[in-house]
Amino acid sequence: KAGVTQTPRYLIKTRGQQVTLSCSPISGHRSVSWYQQTPGQGLQFLFEYFSETQRNKGNFPGRFSGRQFSNSRSEMNVSTLELGDSALYLCASSRGTGEKTGELFFGEGSRLTVL
Amino acid sequence: AQTVTQSQPEMSVQEAETVTLSCTYDTSENNYYLFWYKQPPSRQMILVIRQEAYKQQNATENRFSVNFQKAAKSFSLKISDSQLGDTAMYFCAFMGQNNFNKFYFGSGTKLNVKP
Repeated sequence: KAGVTQTPRYLIKTRGQQVTLSCSPISGHRSVSWYQQTPGQGLQFLFEYFSETQRNKGNFPGRFSGRQFSNSRSEMNVSTLELGDSALYLCASSRGTGEKTGELFFGEGSRLTVL
Repeated sequence: AQTVTQSQPEMSVQEAETVTLSCTYDTSENNYYLFWYKQPPSRQMILVIRQEAYKQQNATENRFSVNFQKAAKSFSLKISDSQLGDTAMYFCAFMGQNNFNKFYFGSGTKLNVKP
């Protein structure tokens, strides 16, 4: 069974640009969550999607947005990049319901560097 | 807001010995989930163990067990018979019952298992 796939794995952008990251969840998983991981702030929740609906979001500015498609694949977008957006962006999928509630399967992450 | 605190930034243990990682959390919710996730060097984060707050019995998964003290808001992880493959960052995490995979993570404990 294929795991969670994130693309691209590494990318370098300059301030002011925008970036789109992609996440393909495990087959059958309808929930996709996004987290930002930095040395200073640790792991912070960005948002979660289930069946194309955003069910929850964290405390990030509106420059951070996301969406989910009918096949459960998800994208997140960061516009007007700032130096502080440099981070590892992790995607996690789950079934979203049932006795495995909260069991997240993480991808390897997309490492974004903003220059 | 929920907070999760891991007071041990780094720990070391000899192979085959037992080690306990500490975690405390703060919440006003009565029903929630607690987790320990493991992030090996340059690899995906994976779930180690999961505890539902309404269950008094401590969760166990092979060599991994927890000591869940709800009143004290404490959730420690015990690793028995430590193996070299246990070397990783360990994150304690909290999720409210209806919080749709919105996790609050601790800052992590880096565990080094020495041969």
